[in-house]
Amino acid sequence: KQEVTQIPAALSVPEGENLVLNCSFTDSAIYNLQWFRQDPGKGLTSLLLIQSSQREQTSGRLNASLDKSSGRSTLYIAASQPGDSATYLCAVRKVTDKLIFGTGTRLQVFP
Amino acid sequence: GAGVSQSPSNKVTEKGKDVELRCDPISGHTALYWYRQSLGQGLEFLIYFQGNSAPDKSGLPSDRFSAERTGGSVSTLTIQRTQQEDSAVYLCASSLAHPGTQYFGPGTRLLVL
Repeated sequence: KQEVTQIPAALSVPEGENLVLNCSFTDSAIYNLQWFRQDPGKGLTSLLLIQSSQREQTSGRLNASLDKSSGRSTLYIAASQPGDSATYLCAVRKVTDKLIFGTGTRLQVFP
Repeated sequence: GAGVSQSPSNKVTEKGKDVELRCDPISGHTALYWYRQSLGQGLEFLIYFQGNSAPDKSGLPSDRFSAERTGGSVSTLTIQRTQQEDSAVYLCASSLAHPGTQYFGPGTRLLVL
């Protein structure tokens, strides 16, 4: 059974810091991995999707890497801003299967 | 363009009542998913629809839960004889194909008293 773990569970940093959020999964036979952002009281926003054949994806200040063999992904946030405050979720899936979500990292960036 | 929409945004009901939650996916998206986000338990998959194929119901927690998707578009998640443990945020997502990037709606917050 696939299990997805995210560390840290919560993170509070001053504005401007570079951050690394970690995601690990127990079954390396995945089709893709997706990072989401969830703001309080709102749904999920997809940030980055990495196919199993890829090593990383970048969007603006965000960079996600994938090491499928070791069951790990990291989300790197450069020059963090207060607007980045949210819960970040990673999710993995197999080809014919649903998304399996981690429990998330709750990020607070203070001015 | 319009994203995934869900209604109602909030629902308070009494234990034992039935509830219906609605999801309008992005136009043209063939795959539709329902997830549940309970306090302290994270997001869990409930059911997904792909085109005209039989839905994957493997995540439904009990036979009180059912879902349908009419005309390949709008979906309704029905919970019969609601229990307090059904209280959660119910999220719907759609994607252009399966598997693909899933786009989520804002969710329906269900509270069973």
